[in-house]
Amino acid sequence: EVQLVESGGDLVQPGRSLRLSCTASGFTFSRFWMNWVRQAPGKGLEWVANIKHDGSETHYLDSVKGRFTISRDNAKNSLYLQMNSLRAEDTAVYYCAREGRGVPDYWGQGTLVTVSS
Amino acid sequence: DIQMTQSPSTLSASVGDRVTITCRASQSISDWLAWFQQKPGKAPKLLIYKASTLESGVPSRFSGSGSGTEFTLTISCLQPDDFATYFCQQYSRYFFTFGPGTKVDIK
Repeated sequence: EVQLVESGGDLVQPGRSLRLSCTASGFTFSRFWMNWVRQAPGKGLEWVANIKHDGSETHYLDSVKGRFTISRDNAKNSLYLQMNSLRAEDTAVYYCAREGRGVPDYWGQGTLVTVSS
Repeated sequence: DIQMTQSPSTLSASVGDRVTITCRASQSISDWLAWFQQKPGKAPKLLIYKASTLESGVPSRFSGSGSGTEFTLTISCLQPDDFATYFCQQYSRYFFTFGPGTKVDIK
């Protein structure tokens, strides 16, 4: 059974940093692109970043470029999102999602990031 | 960037109704379109990909159609478990864009 478990969400002040993690199980992690998708409270879904199966290629939402870094450790079946210079508008539930058949086919339960003073 | 719109934003319906949700892309995305269902406090669930391919385990009352810029999700006979919010999503490029969502609630 495919499982994705996010962690690391917290209440953080504007301008500070936070690192999210996602641990995968039930599939061969190293064969799949992985994504971070976020959802602000009461709002829709917003893709944040993705990373190729071997980590050689990454893409970002324009509003997070230069502030967020997606990475992975295939030996640990883990995906990460380093978030720097956080802003109030980054407040959201952050989901880790596997990309299968070109779409996010499995999602974690999400981890809440709140940016507030 | 490719923008996605959905209509209606809210839909009130009864059990047994046939429900149709429309999704439009700002430019052609061929058939690189997926549909998701989301319930409060839960992660989205993939229903359909490549515009019309039903994900394994999804009931056959769900169907998708369309190509280019206009797409539809149809629920042929609404069930109590189907009251939720539905999002379309394009994946024609290396990034995803989601529609704003359509909430299906009880009439």
